[in-house]
Parts: sequence; structure tokens; C-alpha cells
Amino acid sequence: DAGVTQSPTHLIKTRGQQVTLRCSPKSGHDTVSWYQQALGQGPQFIFQYYEEEERQRGNFPDRFSGHQFPNYSSELNVNALLLGDSALYLCASSDGTGAITQYFGPGTRLTVL
Amino acid sequence: AQSVAQPEDQVNVAEGNPLTVKCTYSVSGNPYLFWYVQYPNRGLQFLLKYITGDNLVKGSYGFEAEFNKSQTSFHLKKPSALVSDSALYFCAVRDPNNYGQNFVFGPGTRLSVLP
Repeated sequence: DAGVTQSPTHLIKTRGQQVTLRCSPKSGHDTVSWYQQALGQGPQFIFQYYEEEERQRGNFPDRFSGHQFPNYSSELNVNALLLGDSALYLCASSDGTGAITQYFGPGTRLTVL
Repeated sequence: AQSVAQPEDQVNVAEGNPLTVKCTYSVSGNPYLFWYVQYPNRGLQFLLKYITGDNLVKGSYGFEAEFNKSQTSFHLKKPSALVSDSALYFCAVRDPNNYGQNFVFGPGTRLSVLP
């Protein structure tokens, strides 16, 4: 049973560029949440997707956008990258119909130079 | 608004000794509480959760946690620490009335188990 997978593992971008991160949820899960974990901090909620729609959003600017596909996989897009966007981006999946626990992928390490 | 505090940045314990990693929370109503562990350059791994029922919850790898409603705490414990338990530990809370089911995480506590 495959767990949550994320790609790429690492990414280096320069300020002003755009980036797309990808996530495939755990088998049987239909809900995907994205978190940003800055160095030395706990994960911060970005947004959650369920049934291909953004269900809830954290306190992140509109530069952060996402998408969920019919197979429940998801993308996180960040435009106009800033140095402060450098972080580990974590994807978590869950069963949106009632399960409580979120299961996390290994993350994508984004470095903005 | 939900919040989680982990008052210790670092906890050091000798191998074989009991360990405690502290967590306090603030949420309206009855919370869902979680502990996750993160090893270097890895994602978060689920350890255990409290939803309802017995205040002592048992989880993976011999870890357990005690829910104390009056003290709004959910401390992680293990009777005998292993060197391999050394990692970053995160406490998280979810408001069960939160439609979006998002978690609020604490800042993390680094556990070092010394041989």
C-alpha cells in the first residue's frame, strides 16, 4: 500500500520564478492538505483540497495556489517566489468523509536564491 | 483560534530512562490531539491520537500520551527511551468543528536520547 508521495524531492529556484510541487495521496484517500515548514518551525497550514475544490485556506497570500485532479492527486503552485518561501513543503492526505488522521509525505525541499 | 505550545525546545534523556515531551493546547470545545515525529530530512510520521475515551492513549513504538482536560495538556511519554527515538516531535490539535480538518502544530521539541 503506497503512502503519500511527493515530487520533486528538492528544488532550487531564483526569486521571481514560479514553482509547481506535486502530491499523490495515500490509497483510498480523497483529501489533500498542504503545509509549509520553515526551518526550525512547525508546519503551517496552506490549504486543503477535497472533491477538486479548495475547502479551506490558511493565512497565505494568493501567490500560493493549488489544484486537485480527478484521481485526487494535487499540485501546489507558488508564483513570484520570495526568499522567505524557502521551506519544506509537506503534503498530507486523509479520508475527507470522516477519518481524522492526516498522513504526511516526505516533503519537497524548496530553496529560493 | 486554536493554538499549541510545546514549552521545551529540547529534551535530553539517557537511554533506558523514561521520557516526557510536553504539550499544551487551546481550542474551543473538545479537541482532537495528535503527536507526530520527524526524522532528519523526512516528513511527519503519525505516532498517536486522542479523540475521545480513555485519557491514556497508546501509539506506535511504545509511545503513549496522557490527555488532561483540566490542564489542557497532552504530554507524550515513553517508559524507556531508545537512542533511535532521537528526533523532532510535534504536537498538533484539530478542532472537531473545523470543516476543513486542518491541523495546528506546535513549534516542535527536539528529543535527544544519549547512550
